[in-house]
Amino acid sequence: GAVVSQHPSWVICKSGTSVKIECRSLDFQATTMFWYRQFPKQSLMLMATSNEGSKATYEQGVEKDKFLINHASLTLSTLTVTSAHPEDSSFYICSARDLRAGSGSPLHFGNGTRLTVT
Amino acid sequence: TQLLKQSPQFLSIQEGENLTVYCNSSSVFSSLQWYRQEPGEGPVLLVTVVTGGEVKKLKRLTFQFGDARKDSSLHITAAQPGDTGLYLCAGGAGNMLTFGGGTRLMVKP
Repeated sequence: GAVVSQHPSWVICKSGTSVKIECRSLDFQATTMFWYRQFPKQSLMLMATSNEGSKATYEQGVEKDKFLINHASLTLSTLTVTSAHPEDSSFYICSARDLRAGSGSPLHFGNGTRLTVT
Repeated sequence: TQLLKQSPQFLSIQEGENLTVYCNSSSVFSSLQWYRQEPGEGPVLLVTVVTGGEVKKLKRLTFQFGDARKDSSLHITAAQPGDTGLYLCAGGAGNMLTFGGGTRLMVKP
């Protein structure tokens, strides 16, 4: 089946530093990838839609200058949390849809990245 | 914004009991998916339903899509401790997927 690889699985960083999270589709190509944030015991909250070769679309309330998204190829999207603060600590999950599948087809999720900012 | 309301939010039952999780919306979705997520991992797709009134079975799990494609239910028969996890419904419309608030299920042995 389709696999989405997310790296790193967990990261601890100091306040004020930046952290980059990678999301790769291993056996399919995706023109669109999605980035979610999940707080403990809560559901997934869509942060932004990453579009290959163009600017990402951010959800309301998500700071685009703080959460930089780059989707440079059909198999890789990155999320960079800039100038991280403790309140940015969360579980970040990416997902992707095979571009050959229809728009209503299921998403394939990465295993998430646990970010802890100290 | 299309909202999906899941109920109950939390459910703790004994092994062998049956349960039903509901996912409701005032909006129509082209498809509805159910995912299961374990701590520290990404959601794993259980099923996709696309036709109003559709019923799908996956071993002890039965999924139903409402006739109007606005709601769905997940029924688990004879729950087992291995069913413990966060169950998420998600409605598809165009390229977007909207998640419900999730149901955290704990099955005690």
